[in-house]
Amino acid sequence: DAGITQSPRHKVTETGTPVTLRCHQTENHRYMYWYRQDPGHGLRLIHYSYGVKDTDKGEVSDGYSVSRSKTEDFLLTLESATSSQTSVYFCAISPQGRSYGYTFGSGTRLTVV
Amino acid sequence: DQQVKQNSPSLSVQEGRISILNCDYTNSMFDYFLWYKKYPAEGPTFLISISSIKDKNEDGRFTVFLNKSAKHLSLHIVPSQPGDSAVYFCAAYNNDMRFGAGTRLTVKP
Repeated sequence: DAGITQSPRHKVTETGTPVTLRCHQTENHRYMYWYRQDPGHGLRLIHYSYGVKDTDKGEVSDGYSVSRSKTEDFLLTLESATSSQTSVYFCAISPQGRSYGYTFGSGTRLTVV
Repeated sequence: DQQVKQNSPSLSVQEGRISILNCDYTNSMFDYFLWYKKYPAEGPTFLISISSIKDKNEDGRFTVFLNKSAKHLSLHIVPSQPGDSAVYFCAAYNNDMRFGAGTRLTVKP
């Protein structure tokens, strides 16, 4: 989607290294989310943000941290990557955070070897 | 703790026929339900939604039905087209959005 971009699209990293994924939006939406998609689990919420410097944990937040210093950018950091964090990561945005269909980015495929 | 379940990982239908995708949920506090469609190498895209105060919502070829007493919703696609072939995720919203594991729909010409 043109209003939301994720970078990088693909990344291979080694176990134990820190990794940062970036989500950038041009829609000025208040709410931003990070999900991971795994076979058999669908999409699971990692962290979300409801404003600049306002973030909260999702259902699978262990091993992840986030930061949002500007409305348009939401960063996801894996402090010390593990093989269990190999996944496809999606960022999503929403204008109001309630009941609206989220707009998702194209995803980042992360492989931890 | 999977609060939203899609028990059929895949579904195959003939072009022109009806596709019915099913979803069950366990949390009675969900007050909004959505369906997303996902093509390979793309993010999910919003398809259709329904509020918990309704039992049906229709948008063109897509209809979502909600049975609150059974905690069940379904997506009907009529008629199915080859371009509908994708993974469909059911989602439910309370304080955050919970997704099912997805159903891969294949529509054969």
